[in-house]
Amino acid sequence: AQSVTQLDSHVSVSEGTPVLLRCNYSSSYSPSLFWYVQHPNKGLQLLLKYTSAATLVKGINGFEAEFKKSETSFHLTKPSAHMSDAAEYFCVVSDPPRSFQKLVFGTGTRLLVSP
Amino acid sequence: NAGVTQTPKFQVLKTGQSMTLQCAQDMNHNSMYWYRQDPGMGLRLIYYSASEGTTDKGEVPNGYNVSRLNKREFSLRLESAAPSQTSVYFCASSETAGAGETQYFGPGTRLLVL
Repeated sequence: AQSVTQLDSHVSVSEGTPVLLRCNYSSSYSPSLFWYVQHPNKGLQLLLKYTSAATLVKGINGFEAEFKKSETSFHLTKPSAHMSDAAEYFCVVSDPPRSFQKLVFGTGTRLLVSP
Repeated sequence: NAGVTQTPKFQVLKTGQSMTLQCAQDMNHNSMYWYRQDPGMGLRLIYYSASEGTTDKGEVPNGYNVSRLNKREFSLRLESAAPSQTSVYFCASSETAGAGETQYFGPGTRLLVL
């Protein structure tokens, strides 16, 4: 079965410094991988996704992630944090390819941004 | 274009009461989903509907039923609420249920069962 591990439950950064949110996945197939963001009391919004095209994926709001098969990682980065980036981030892996895609969610990383 | 909408936003129930959570999407998507979110556990799939007229169980279906009323609407029913069903419920939709499809989420319903 597919699984995803988010290595940090909380990450704290200062505004203007780089962001790194770590995610490792387990998959027997070529997975689809996603990062979603959830702002307080809001639904989830897609940041970016990897579906076996370019390994460096660019998303919204300056975020990007690199798929590294050898390390089974899909870490999320941003060069410079903004206060508005404070939210919870979920790494998500897709179940093996079949007629129905089942998403498996990580437990989330809460990003705190201080002035 | 409202995307995915859910009603109600908040609900308090007593144990044993029933209620229906409503979800609608205006993106002409074929597939719809119900998830629950509990602290420290990420989102877990309750039920899904790959296309209009079909529904299937997800990871945690016990205590729930669903109805795909039409292409736009997918409701979740709790027949006899239990405190263990206290959670935040999210509805989502996607164009198809195939691999790599993006799911679009509603704002959630916060449910407290006393």
